[in-house]
Amino acid sequence: KQEVTQIPAALSVPEGENLVLNCSFTDSAIYNLQWFRQDPGKGLTSLLLIQSSQREQTSGRLNASLDKSSGRSTLYIAASQPGDSATYLCAVKLDSNYQLIWGAGTKLIIKP
Amino acid sequence: GAGVSQSPSNKVTEKGKDVELRCDPISGHTALYWYRQSLGQGLEFLIYFQGNSAPDKSGLPSDRFSAERTGGSVSTLTIQRTQQEDSAVYLCASSSQGASSYNEQFFGPGTRLTVL
Repeated sequence: KQEVTQIPAALSVPEGENLVLNCSFTDSAIYNLQWFRQDPGKGLTSLLLIQSSQREQTSGRLNASLDKSSGRSTLYIAASQPGDSATYLCAVKLDSNYQLIWGAGTKLIIKP
Repeated sequence: GAGVSQSPSNKVTEKGKDVELRCDPISGHTALYWYRQSLGQGLEFLIYFQGNSAPDKSGLPSDRFSAERTGGSVSTLTIQRTQQEDSAVYLCASSSQGASSYNEQFFGPGTRLTVL
């Protein structure tokens, strides 16, 4: 059974720092992996999607990596800003299924 | 273009009442998903629609939950005889199933359901 874990559950850092959020999954047979952000009272915003054949994806200050063999993905945020404060969720889509399996999220607070 | 929309944004109901939650997917998206997010927990898959195929209902927690998708577009999630443990945010997502889309899911803002 695929399980997705995100560590840490919460993170608070000063503005301007670079940071890494971690996501691990137990079954390497994934179709893709997505990183989302969720703001309080709002829906989910897709940040990056990495196909199983890819190693990383970049969008602006965000970089997501994928290592299927070790069952890990990281989301790197460069030069963090207070507006980055949100809960970040990762989810994997299985080869043989179409639903997303979700981590519990990392709540990120960027202090001005 | 317009994203996924959901209504109502908030719903407060009394235990035992029925509720209907609505989702309007992105135009042209053939796949539609319902998820539930309980306080402090991750998202839980409920049901999946793909085109005219029979829906995958494997995530529905009980027979009090049902969903339909009319005309391959709008979907309604119905919860009968609501219980307090049904309180959660219900999220809808849609995706295109084309080869170039990577099945990326786009989410609506959710409906926050509170059962008193």
